Amino acid sequence: AQSVAQPEDQVNVAEGNPLTVKCTYSVSGNPYLFWYVQYPNRGLQFLLKYITGDNLVKGSYGFEAEFNKSQTSFHLKKPSALVSDSALYFCAVRDTNAGKSTFGDGTTLTVKP
Amino acid sequence: DAGVTQSPTHLIKTRGQQVTLRCSPKSGHDTVSWYQQALGQGPQFIFQYYEEEERQRGNFPDRFSGHQFPNYSSELNVNALLLGDSALYLCASTLEGLGAQYFGPGTRLTVT
Repeated sequence: AQSVAQPEDQVNVAEGNPLTVKCTYSVSGNPYLFWYVQYPNRGLQFLLKYITGDNLVKGSYGFEAEFNKSQTSFHLKKPSALVSDSALYFCAVRDTNAGKSTFGDGTTLTVKP
Repeated sequence: DAGVTQSPTHLIKTRGQQVTLRCSPKSGHDTVSWYQQALGQGPQFIFQYYEEEERQRGNFPDRFSGHQFPNYSSELNVNALLLGDSALYLCASTLEGLGAQYFGPGTRLTVT
């Protein structure tokens, strides 16, 4: 079985400050990890993925994520937050590069001016 | 380059009725997955279609069924609707199921 935990329902940061959205996972075998963002009344948009290779993954809109195998974590980060980054963020995992993805319950990011 | 499209956008049904939702994958994609997203939760995997066959299925009852057509588009059918089936239904596509998924805007189903 595979699972994802996003321990924070809500993250609040000031514009210009760094942000971190946390994600931990459980999977048998090597993990395939993804971050998606969802704006109100919209589908999910892909941000970045970790398949193999460097532990620091760079994605869209200046986001990056750090894969930590020993801590089974894949935290989403951005050095300087924008108000427009305010949205709902989902972490997802699967145990192969194809097939079923398991999503966390999401973290609402609010960036205040 | 057309992205993933879904129809209808919204749907209101009565308990016990049947519903069909439709999805067209992103151009060049051949694999379609369906997810149910209840309010305040993450998407839950329903099933995935590849080469017109159900390749993988999540923990959903047989009331949920699907189909994939030769042009890779897909339908999700739900029979004997329950109030608890009210949710946003998302379709996602990939090429051979690999890598990141591209999601459609979803169909909001309300069961009264």
